[in-house]
Amino acid sequence: EVQLMESGGGLVKPGGSLRLSCAASGFSFSAYSMNWVRQAPGKGLEWVSSISSSTTYIDYADSVKGRFTISRDNAKNTLYLQMNSLRAEDTAVYYCARDPCSSTSCYSPWGQGTLVTVSS
Amino acid sequence: QSVLTQPPSVSAAPGQKVTISCSGSSSNIGNNYVSWYQQLPGTAPKLLIYENNKRPSGIPDRFSGSKSGTSATLGITGLQTGDEADYYCGTWDNSLSGGVFGGGTKVTVL
Repeated sequence: EVQLMESGGGLVKPGGSLRLSCAASGFSFSAYSMNWVRQAPGKGLEWVSSISSSTTYIDYADSVKGRFTISRDNAKNTLYLQMNSLRAEDTAVYYCARDPCSSTSCYSPWGQGTLVTVSS
Repeated sequence: QSVLTQPPSVSAAPGQKVTISCSGSSSNIGNNYVSWYQQLPGTAPKLLIYENNKRPSGIPDRFSGSKSGTSATLGITGLQTGDEADYYCGTWDNSLSGGVFGGGTKVTVL
């Protein structure tokens, strides 16, 4: 079974840092692009970042560019999101999602999400 | 303000049909495939439609997708109470060099 499991969320003060992890299982992790998507409480989905299978291509939403860093360890089947200079508006559930669509971007499956709360 | 525009809500009686529109521009929908996601209350989103009109295995054919120009549409026929959820369209935006989603549409079964 294809599974993604996020961890690393929690409460952090504004200006602080946090690193999220996403453990993948049930598929060839190194063959797929991966993404982070977030959802603020009561709000819609917001794409955050994507990384290609070999890390050749990396993209970020303007809202996190320069503060967040996506990375992956294909040997450990794990995706990461290093979040620095956190702001209140970064408060959200963060999902990792595989991109199985070779010709375009789509997201499946999604992990269960990990909540990040930025508050003093 | 989302890059893609969806109606906030739609509703219909059980067994009826609903359609959800998703409007974009030439930098996103106009030149890229569209996908649709269902988010049941308290759960993670699930892929319903990819590449405009394809259904992943396990998704019933009551769900359909189409695209024309810079707009896309999700259709749900034979509406069931279990279909009550938020639905999101998504695609890539070439100008932003990033993924974009609609604001989401809440489907209510009357």
